Amino acid sequence: RKEVEQDPGPFNVPEGATVAFNCTYSNSASQSFFWYRQDCRKEPKLLMSVYSSGNEDGRFTAQLNRASQYISLLIRDSKLSDSATYLCVVSTVAAGNKLTFGGGTRVLVKP
Amino acid sequence: DTAVSQTPKYLVTQMGNDKSIKCEQNLGHDTMYWYKQDSKKFLKIMFSYNNKELIINETVPNRFSPKSPDKAHLNLHINSLELGDSAVYFCASRPIAGLQETQYFGPGTRLLVL
Repeated sequence: RKEVEQDPGPFNVPEGATVAFNCTYSNSASQSFFWYRQDCRKEPKLLMSVYSSGNEDGRFTAQLNRASQYISLLIRDSKLSDSATYLCVVSTVAAGNKLTFGGGTRVLVKP
Repeated sequence: DTAVSQTPKYLVTQMGNDKSIKCEQNLGHDTMYWYKQDSKKFLKIMFSYNNKELIINETVPNRFSPKSPDKAHLNLHINSLELGDSAVYFCASRPIAGLQETQYFGPGTRLLVL
């Protein structure tokens, strides 16, 4: 079983709609959680950190469920520019703060 | 004013050759990383250095040898290149403090082994 698993998609989303997707992680000792965004042929960039109480950044909302070991990302009012691959990332102090990446969820926002 | 830079951006070479990829960060970060992203887009850590000291070495063939001359540089040398080494290699850096500190990635080096 992979340490961090994501639905690869693609999620085809009409512009203006809401899309949500999850990521599950297997290491219960994981302590930090992030969503990164990767555009085609570009480097990953931090979208947002995920806090225990859940957090929002504009149209993006991230949730963490430690009991079920999953993280979610919700995008409201999708824009064409939101089309990208969203990478779920988990960090564990015991592993030297190594970041473990999921395979990514591809989102395509269409007019 | 690039934060994390890598050279070269593209590298096409023959099987069996030896090649190096260079990485530099001007963010004053203490920790640097090498990642490999294969054709299936999985991003996997290869090495991590903290202040020139190796702290993470995932099960990478010993044909791959990282070198950190100072904390702003982490180079990757690959001996006897194989077809399976074709991938995008990303360098990243991170300040040492805090669990929530993110990593900043370089633009990637696209390696194609023929």
